Amino acid sequence: QSALTQPRSVSGSPGQSVTISCTGTSSDVGGYNYVSWYQQHPGKAPKLMIYDVSKRPSGVPDRFSGSKSGNTASLTISGLQAEDEADYYCCSYAGSYTRVFGGGTKLTVL
Amino acid sequence: EVQLVQSGAEVKKPGESLKISCEGSGYDFTSYWIGWVRQMPGKGLEWMGIIYPGDSDTKYYPSFQGQVTISADKSITTAYLQWSSLKASDTAMYFCARHSGNYGNYMDVWGKGTTVTVSS
Repeated sequence: QSALTQPRSVSGSPGQSVTISCTGTSSDVGGYNYVSWYQQHPGKAPKLMIYDVSKRPSGVPDRFSGSKSGNTASLTISGLQAEDEADYYCCSYAGSYTRVFGGGTKLTVL
Repeated sequence: EVQLVQSGAEVKKPGESLKISCEGSGYDFTSYWIGWVRQMPGKGLEWMGIIYPGDSDTKYYPSFQGQVTISADKSITTAYLQWSSLKASDTAMYFCARHSGNYGNYMDVWGKGTTVTVSS
């Protein structure tokens, strides 16, 4: 299995919206509604931001939203803030209790 | 408070064995999958495998099958990641994470990570 495909970097100004895509196959992203997204600041552990494609854990701002169409999932961050600058990883269930991560996207807030 | 506490940084030589740990607290340790994620220096996250401490059922990502061993001791609510013969390419940060939801499909609680350095 290969890693899911994410853009290496995206950027936006404070207050703007950005969308990060995550492309897989019918064996992972397209086959299950089990896509999750993680935020990782430098030197820190990842943090769950979205699960089951579009659900937000308690405490995650509603500026973060997730969606999926076919084999591509997306994370949208609206009203960008400086503290959103981080690496973002998607992850999909891939059957047989395994999962696969995307390669990661570096978000820069200009 | 639900938390995972990982063991400290390790420096080893190639060929040596190693077992790192991840102690869970604040939740029913036997009712959630718990797994390991690798992050090589400057690289992305890689899902390695999981164990269900309730019955020790274990699943591995294909590229890690046979390279590491995941185990758990439910009596002390601790999961382990083990190598029998380390390589320089095992140098990385290793995170443990609680897996929740259907099939344990998302990771909602993370440890702070254990740095493993393998160098002669």
